[in-house]
Amino acid sequence: NAGVTQTPKFRVLKTGQSMTLLCAQDMNHEYMYWYRQDPGMGLRLIHYSVGEGTTAKGEVPDGYNVSRLKKQNFLLGLESAAPSQTSVYFCASSYPYSIRSYEQYFGPGTRLTVT
Amino acid sequence: GIQVEQSPPDLILQEGANSTLRCNFSDSVNNLQWFHQNPWGQLINLFYIPSGTKQNGRLSATTVATERYSLLYISSSQTTDSGVYFCAVTGNQFYFGTGTSLTVIP
Repeated sequence: NAGVTQTPKFRVLKTGQSMTLLCAQDMNHEYMYWYRQDPGMGLRLIHYSVGEGTTAKGEVPDGYNVSRLKKQNFLLGLESAAPSQTSVYFCASSYPYSIRSYEQYFGPGTRLTVT
Repeated sequence: GIQVEQSPPDLILQEGANSTLRCNFSDSVNNLQWFHQNPWGQLINLFYIPSGTKQNGRLSATTVATERYSLLYISSSQTTDSGVYFCAVTGNQFYFGTGTSLTVIP
C-alpha cells in the first residue's frame, strides 16, 4: 500500500493564482482531512470529510474549498492565493474503530509558497 | 475548541538519556495520538492511546483521560529520535499541540 499520497510536493504561486492540491489514500479510509502547518506551530485543521460526497469546515477554513467526489481522493482548492496561505499542507485519513474512535495517518506534505 | 499544551517546548539530550514529554488537554477527548515529525517534515504515528499504557521498543505512552494528560517516555535516546513530538486529541475535531522539539546530541 502507498498509504496517503499528496500531489504536488512543492509549488510556488503568485498572489491571486489558483491551484488544487490532491490527496489520495488506498487504505479504504472513510475520513479524510486537510491541515496546514506554519513555522513553530502545530497542525491546524482546514476542512475534513467523513465520507464520499460530504465535507465540513475545520478550525481555519477561510480561503479554501474542498471536494470529496471519490472515497479515495480529497481535493483542496485555493481560488485566489494570498501570501498568508504560504504553509506546509498535510493530508490525513483515518479509519473509524468506532463512531468516536479513529486513528489518523498522514501524507508527506506539500510545501506551498505564495509570492 | 480543545486546548492542547505540550511541555517542555524544547529539550536537548545526550545520547542514551531518558526523557518524559507531557501533553495536557482542556476537555474530555475520544482520541489521542502521539506523532514524531522528523527533520524532513514527515509525520510518523507513534501511538494511538486514548487511555491506558502502550509500549513500542524504547518508547512508551500513558494517557490518564480522567486527569486530562498524556505522557510520552523515550528511553536510551538516539540521534534519530531528534525532531518534534506532537500530541493530537479529538473532541469532534482533531486539535494539535504546538509540540516538543527534541535534539539528541551524540
